[in-house]
Amino acid sequence: DAGITQSPRYKITETGRQVTLMCHQTWSHSYMFWYRQDLGHGLRLIYYSAAADITDKGEVPDGYVVSRSKTENFPLTLESATRSQTSVYFCASTPREQGAFSGQPQHFGDGTRLSIL
Amino acid sequence: AQSVTQPDIHITVSEGASLELRCNYSYGATPYLFWYVQSPGQGLQLLLKYFSGDTLVQGIKGFEAEFKRSQSSFNLRKPSVHWSDAAEYFCAVGASGNKLVFGAGTILRVKS
Repeated sequence: DAGITQSPRYKITETGRQVTLMCHQTWSHSYMFWYRQDLGHGLRLIYYSAAADITDKGEVPDGYVVSRSKTENFPLTLESATRSQTSVYFCASTPREQGAFSGQPQHFGDGTRLSIL
Repeated sequence: AQSVTQPDIHITVSEGASLELRCNYSYGATPYLFWYVQSPGQGLQLLLKYFSGDTLVQGIKGFEAEFKRSQSSFNLRKPSVHWSDAAEYFCAVGASGNKLVFGAGTILRVKS
């Protein structure tokens, strides 16, 4: 029962570099999400995906790129990292059900702590 | 647009005392409401959820929450706090596209 795994758990990089955070889930959930967590802001949605090859912007998408070629993977790329992107990043997934919102809870990975110097 | 307010950034409670964490939401229709808990260095774990029906919802670890439509609130409660309950707690409301909108969180400290 691997669930949802994120890698790396910790990453330090420099401004201007490209960074990719990985997310893998074993449940075949349709929906996947990327959040960033910053003190005083809770979790803010960066991007989400309803299925393979379907992605959409969340609340704070600028500076990030996502792809979803396979249902189980949802990588997040910072194309040119900035200090303001220092944060803890969480990936989550949830199954698809009937209706616009199924009410199913999201399942979270353990996060990636990213520091940009 | 949906929004969630958790008025208390930090709360300190003595072990064995009761706990109430506040959550207010803004949503036009009947909301889907959630409480999650996050221990240090961990992801978020679902405590409980409300979709419809009984307004008092039971969750894991002895937590419960009450949905009050008239007050747009979904407060989390526990009758007797244990030291292991020290964590950060997030209230969230469901949004279209299976998204969640989170509050800023409340950090619970438990003193012995």
